[in-house]
Amino acid sequence: TQLLEQSPQFLSIQEGENLTVYCNSSSVFSSLQWYRQEPGEGPVLLVTVVTGGEVKKLKRLTFQFGDARKDSSLHITAAQPGDTGLYLCAGDNNDMRFGAGTRLTVKP
Amino acid sequence: DAGITQSPRHKVTETGTPVTLRCHQTENHRYMYWYRQDPGHGLRLIHYSYGVKDTDKGEVSDGYSVSRSKTEDFLLTLESATSSQTSVYFCAISDGGRSQDTQYFGPGTRLTVL
Repeated sequence: TQLLEQSPQFLSIQEGENLTVYCNSSSVFSSLQWYRQEPGEGPVLLVTVVTGGEVKKLKRLTFQFGDARKDSSLHITAAQPGDTGLYLCAGDNNDMRFGAGTRLTVKP
Repeated sequence: DAGITQSPRHKVTETGTPVTLRCHQTENHRYMYWYRQDPGHGLRLIHYSYGVKDTDKGEVSDGYSVSRSKTEDFLLTLESATSSQTSVYFCAISDGGRSQDTQYFGPGTRLTVL
């Protein structure tokens, strides 16, 4: 059983669409990170959220940390083919644990 | 990009043989990590190091050993490879502790055990 459950596992959309992916847990985290991983490469950190209810924006990406610090969401506006990749969340509970990821494909 | 290299990038080996994977960094970061990534499981920590000759076990350490004789190098050894160790292995580095700092990942090593 994964400590962090990510949904959906796979998502395929057309360029220009909006999407939201989720990272859920029954555990409370002191912080949560989102990474993006492209094929044949290692994950790259996108953002760290620390405070319950915190919202961070990175261009077309909006990250939210749940009020109870157990879950998080990533919203992408007007997705582009360059957004294609595996999106991983990782929760810090004195030990960084990763979810299995959401594999996003954005078709031109 | 953080200066992290992994070697080899791909390896095919047979069950029962020893295998050593190397991670090399040029960032002088204190912490180094080895993860494995498998479909449906995400990244799982195998071992990590918090300094030269200082290492500790992670979530899935059975069948693996590590060594760090220099700040820049962290070796992962599969003493007797099994098919269940077929995976993609990632090295990561950070300046702060495991839960305190950004981890920078290497490009990965794809290992196949036949």
